[in-house]
Amino acid sequence: SYELTQPPSVSVSPGQTVSITCSGDKLGDKYVCWYQQKPGQSPVLVIYQDYKRPSGIPERFSGSNSGNTATLTISGTQAMDEADYYCQAWDRSTRVFGGGTKLTVL
Amino acid sequence: QITLKESGPTLVKPTQTLTLTCTFSGFSLSTSGVGVGWIRQPPGKALEWLALIYWNDDKRYSPALKSRLTITKDTSKNQVVLTMTNMDPVDTATYYCAHSWGATAFDIWGQGTMVTVSS
Repeated sequence: SYELTQPPSVSVSPGQTVSITCSGDKLGDKYVCWYQQKPGQSPVLVIYQDYKRPSGIPERFSGSNSGNTATLTISGTQAMDEADYYCQAWDRSTRVFGGGTKLTVL
Repeated sequence: QITLKESGPTLVKPTQTLTLTCTFSGFSLSTSGVGVGWIRQPPGKALEWLALIYWNDDKRYSPALKSRLTITKDTSKNQVVLTMTNMDPVDTATYYCAHSWGATAFDIWGQGTMVTVSS
């Protein structure tokens, strides 16, 4: 079965830029989306179709996808961005989630 | 405004069948491109996609759980139902339903419902 790999944790200082990776075989051939989940809350979509932002998501969130790796980048990270982030790959038959990355804003 | 809400038992016994209902508003599951999916999350663990049903009744299942899952829709009631057979304690999780459009992401999620599997 298809698998996506994310680093378990990443840390960043407020105001800095952080990238969270998501790796999978030929991931660039699939659409990737990213979700933010804060404790006790439902996930929120922050990036879809590799790089598009839903309405209401700040411009500091951006995404890319090429080869075997997709990346979520948060520029000017704020304390409110501390959360778990999950990537998800979509194609005709695959809708698998990554294992999640805990982002800590120090 | 799109909203979804999950409902069902909070406690099921091992080997029993779980039936969850997702009741939604703000969209129609007869509209081209629209889908509703189910995702679960064991306590402290990652999200796991389970199933997805589209406006045209096309259905997709997680390969790992396909033999245990059935997803159906009732367009007139604005509901999607997920059944999972042969429940086990490892199936203890929060179960979410979510809206999908364009088949590339779950853009709106329900609040989730916690299901515990225990004798």
